[in-house]
Amino acid sequence: DTAVSQTPKYLVTQMGNDKSIKCEQNLGHDTMYWYKQDSKKFLKIMFSYNNKELIINETVPNRFSPKSPDKAHLNLHINSLELGDSAVYFCASSALVYTFGSGTRLTVV
Amino acid sequence: AQRVTQPEKLLSVFKGAPVELKCNYSYSGSPELFWYVQYSRQRLQLLLRHISRESIKGFTADLNKGETSFHLKKPFAQEEDSAMYYCALSGPGQGGKLIFGQGTELSVKP
Repeated sequence: DTAVSQTPKYLVTQMGNDKSIKCEQNLGHDTMYWYKQDSKKFLKIMFSYNNKELIINETVPNRFSPKSPDKAHLNLHINSLELGDSAVYFCASSALVYTFGSGTRLTVV
Repeated sequence: AQRVTQPEKLLSVFKGAPVELKCNYSYSGSPELFWYVQYSRQRLQLLLRHISRESIKGFTADLNKGETSFHLKKPFAQEEDSAMYYCALSGPGQGGKLIFGQGTELSVKP
């Protein structure tokens, strides 16, 4: 049973397209996150939701829109994809300790 | 400013050698410190948190508030320890946000 699952695992798309990444957790955690890992492997928080409410929005372009239909899901929609959006995106959830998903490797060509 | 610094981008050691991955932090208050590990193309996994003071896979880390450091140590490195290691902090009232260091890639050679 995967605790935090993301789909798809890989995503290759052209510039200008719109794409979504889905995330689901079955841990019963109230808080979920999206982190971006860039080409230099640096990890930075993008968003955090607590029980479907946005609590952290870390100066991310508004082409990125998170959506939390319920506390077990936090999806990430990206409009008008740019080359610089190429990265690995990690979903996570936490109570006291984080559990990360396996990541979505997004390549914009 | 809240910051985590890992000065070494890459650390290469031979199997059986001691390992120390450095981590310094800047935070006005009492943060919680963590080490996460990411094996090749896998998810991040929690390795250690300072409040639990435990040893996982032979790794230990001691929080030194005076030097604002949380270095990760292992007396005898194994090849399976090769991975990316991230030091991170979380502060109270930050919504659970983790601030990561730049990561140190540990390579253990046979």
